[in-house]
Amino acid sequence: NAGVMQNPRHLVRRRGQEARLRCSPMKGHSHVYWYRQLPEEGLKFMVYLQKENIIDESGMPKERFSAEFPKEGPSILRIQQVVRGDSAAYFCASSPPDRGNTEAFFGQGTRLTVV
Amino acid sequence: KQEVTQIPAALSVPEGENLVLNCSFTDSAIYNLQWFRQDPGKGLTSLLLIQSSQREQTSGRLNASLDKSSGRSTLYIAASQPGDSATYLCAVPLYNNNDMRFGAGTRLTVKP
Repeated sequence: NAGVMQNPRHLVRRRGQEARLRCSPMKGHSHVYWYRQLPEEGLKFMVYLQKENIIDESGMPKERFSAEFPKEGPSILRIQQVVRGDSAAYFCASSPPDRGNTEAFFGQGTRLTVV
Repeated sequence: KQEVTQIPAALSVPEGENLVLNCSFTDSAIYNLQWFRQDPGKGLTSLLLIQSSQREQTSGRLNASLDKSSGRSTLYIAASQPGDSATYLCAVPLYNNNDMRFGAGTRLTVKP
């Protein structure tokens, strides 16, 4: 079991470009969560997805940000027209369906730098 | 609204010391509490998960306790080593299962 895989590990984008972050959950996990960590801060929830469904996107900015978890392939967090304030580490976690009493497993994160 | 606070924000100790990291949460209705370690520029590594029905969990030199009624958890590290230097985060899942509230972390430095 390779664990939660995120790529790329580091991503540099110029202001106005698009950023695509990918997350492959652990084998057997059907739930994916995205978090953002700003420098010197804790992790903040963004969005929770199951296969082909967004369950909760209450933590995700309404504009420029979108997420998907297709039937086949990794979950994608997409940021359009990036701005300097988007620079952060983006982490993905996965869990089996019964999240409440289970351990959360995180990927290594994607560090986005907007220049 | 669940708020998670970690004290201290930073801690520096000489090698060999025993130390305690603190985590407090405002809503005691939790499923569990999880402690993570984060190395600079790296992801999160799960250290210990304490279920709401448990009082403590141990893994090697680490011991985590949970007092739900007072909204507190502590992570005890025995005989600290320079390799323990990292940021330690505690987190609790909310009952809606969608969100996990994190503390801001304690940045630990163990000096040789």
